[in-house]
Amino acid sequence: AQSVTQLGSHVSVSEGALVLLRCNYSSSVPPYLFWYVQYPNQGLQLLLKYTTGATLVKGINGFEAEFKKSETSFHLTKPSAHMSDAAEYFCAVSGPGNQFYFGTGTSLTVIP
Amino acid sequence: DTGVSQDPRHKITKRGQNVTFRCDPISEHNRLYWYRQTLGQGPEFLTYFQNEAQLEKSRLLSDRFSAERPKGSFSTLEIQRTEQGDSAMYLCASSPTSLEQYFGPGTRLTVT
Repeated sequence: AQSVTQLGSHVSVSEGALVLLRCNYSSSVPPYLFWYVQYPNQGLQLLLKYTTGATLVKGINGFEAEFKKSETSFHLTKPSAHMSDAAEYFCAVSGPGNQFYFGTGTSLTVIP
Repeated sequence: DTGVSQDPRHKITKRGQNVTFRCDPISEHNRLYWYRQTLGQGPEFLTYFQNEAQLEKSRLLSDRFSAERPKGSFSTLEIQRTEQGDSAMYLCASSPTSLEQYFGPGTRLTVT
């Protein structure tokens, strides 16, 4: 069965500081992994995805994530936080039947 | 911008009434998904279409819920005899493959 756990429902960082949002997954098949961002009253926007190949994937807005099979993790990072990064972030894993399984989300606050 | 669109964006209804939401996917995307998102949670899968065929339905989708995609283009989600527990954001997503999904802005339903 597929599932995602996001550690930390709220994360606060100072502007310019490192952003680290944690995601661990469980999957019965080789996983496809995704990070989405959601701004208030908007739908989800794809930040980045891992399917196969290089385990370090780069996405939009300076975000990147590393797939670590041994740790069943897919943490999201950004070297320097910007005020516009404040949003809700969701990690997701795809499973059989094309369903996406989402975590409960992490709310990122950027402190000026 | 020809992204996924959803209508209406907001719906307030009284308990017991029927409501219908519409989703227009990105043209030529043959896969269409419906999700439900409640406050503080990630999206939960409801159902999936490939072209006009409804291929999967979640156990979350009770008998009061029905979805259609009659010509393999737009889709509708109907909730009959709404209950207060149906209050949520209903998200639609479309995809050309199984590798990623593009989300619409959602329809926020409030049942009073």
